[in-house]
Amino acid sequence: AQSVAQPEDQVNVAEGNPLTVKCTYSVSGNPYLFWYVQYPNRGLQFLLKYITGDNLVKGSYGFEAEFNKSQTSFHLKKPSALVSDSALYFCAVRETGTASKLTFGTGTRLQVTL
Amino acid sequence: GAGVSQSPSNKVTEKGKDVELRCDPISGHTALYWYRQSLGQGLEFLIYFQGNSAPDKSGLPSDRFSAERTGGSVSTLTIQRTQQEDSAVYLCASSASGTGAMNEQFFGPGTRLTVL
Repeated sequence: AQSVAQPEDQVNVAEGNPLTVKCTYSVSGNPYLFWYVQYPNRGLQFLLKYITGDNLVKGSYGFEAEFNKSQTSFHLKKPSALVSDSALYFCAVRETGTASKLTFGTGTRLQVTL
Repeated sequence: GAGVSQSPSNKVTEKGKDVELRCDPISGHTALYWYRQSLGQGLEFLIYFQGNSAPDKSGLPSDRFSAERTGGSVSTLTIQRTQQEDSAVYLCASSASGTGAMNEQFFGPGTRLTVL
């Protein structure tokens, strides 16, 4: 069975500072990993994904994520946070070869303050 | 182009009533998913449709829940005899076909269901 853990319910960061939102996963095979963002009263928006290749993946709005196979992690990062980045972030995993469901973490609320 | 649309955006119903939630996927997307998002919890997978294949119903929480997809496009999620614990936001997503596992899912805005 596949699973995702987001150990932090909330991350607080000042605008202009770097941010990291943590994600670890568990699958029996190789993973496909995704990050989504949810703004208030809106659906989830795709940010980025890791399929294969370079461990550092760049996505929308200046976000990036680093795949670390040995630590089974896929942390989301941004060099300089903006107040407008404040939202709920979800990490998700799917095992390669299965086109079925994504398994999501419980989400991390990012709060960026001035 | 148009994204995934869902209707209604909000639904308030009384315990014991049946409800139908509708999802219009992105045109050309053959895969369609339903998830449930409850307060303080992540997204819970409900059901997955891929083309003409039999749906993966492994996430449906009880036999009160059912879904169908007509003509490979629009999908309806039906909850019979609603209970208060069914209150949640129901999200629909679609993705392109082909090497499906690599494709990201595109989500609709959701239907907020409140069971009184």
